[in-house]
Amino acid sequence: QVQLVESGGGVVQPGRSLRLSCAASGFTFSPYGMHWVRQAPGKGPEWVAIISNDGSVENYAESVKGRFTISRDNSKNRLYLQMDSLRADDTAVYYCAKDRGRGVVTAAKDVWGQGTAVIVSS
Amino acid sequence: EIVLTQSPGTLSLSPGERATVSCRASQTVSSRYVAWYQQKPGQAPRLLIYGASSRAAGIPDRFSGSGSGTDFTLTISRLESEDFAVYYCQQYGPSVSFGPGTKVDV
Repeated sequence: QVQLVESGGGVVQPGRSLRLSCAASGFTFSPYGMHWVRQAPGKGPEWVAIISNDGSVENYAESVKGRFTISRDNSKNRLYLQMDSLRADDTAVYYCAKDRGRGVVTAAKDVWGQGTAVIVSS
Repeated sequence: EIVLTQSPGTLSLSPGERATVSCRASQTVSSRYVAWYQQKPGQAPRLLIYGASSRAAGIPDRFSGSGSGTDFTLTISRLESEDFAVYYCQQYGPSVSFGPGTKVDV
């Protein structure tokens, strides 16, 4: 079945780095843009970043620009989020999500992973 | 950055009633890039509506979306027990933003 599985979350000290990974299965990964979305405890979803199907275009929320990097490996059906200079307010569940547009970004996310928790604390 | 506001914050209704959730954007948004999601506790959001009015795969026809410009609406024609949840609107252009959510409860 169509599935996204995130990994790499955990507890990290402020200022440190963490790399999240998302494994896609059950669908052809390469034609679709992919997103990272996070949700802090008790809050609504916050979009973090998007990468185009071929990895040539990236876009970031202002809150993470310059600190986070999204990337993908279409040969491995994997999406990544490199998070540097982490802050307490980056604490959240991080979801990877598939864009429903094939070859074009619509930002409507029709497949979501179960999420991986990131806690930034000293 | 486009800011989305939703009203009401909470909607208290009973099964069988009609639910109407409003989403207003701080500036004009292309309808092509407006989506609605449902989220239940402990779960990821679920896509209901994309392109302002198109239902996602597997979404019952009691869910409908409408609107244009700065004002968009999600309607649930007759609430079922499984529809009690939080609903978020979302826009794209050129970055993505979500509304604050509307909780539909009993």
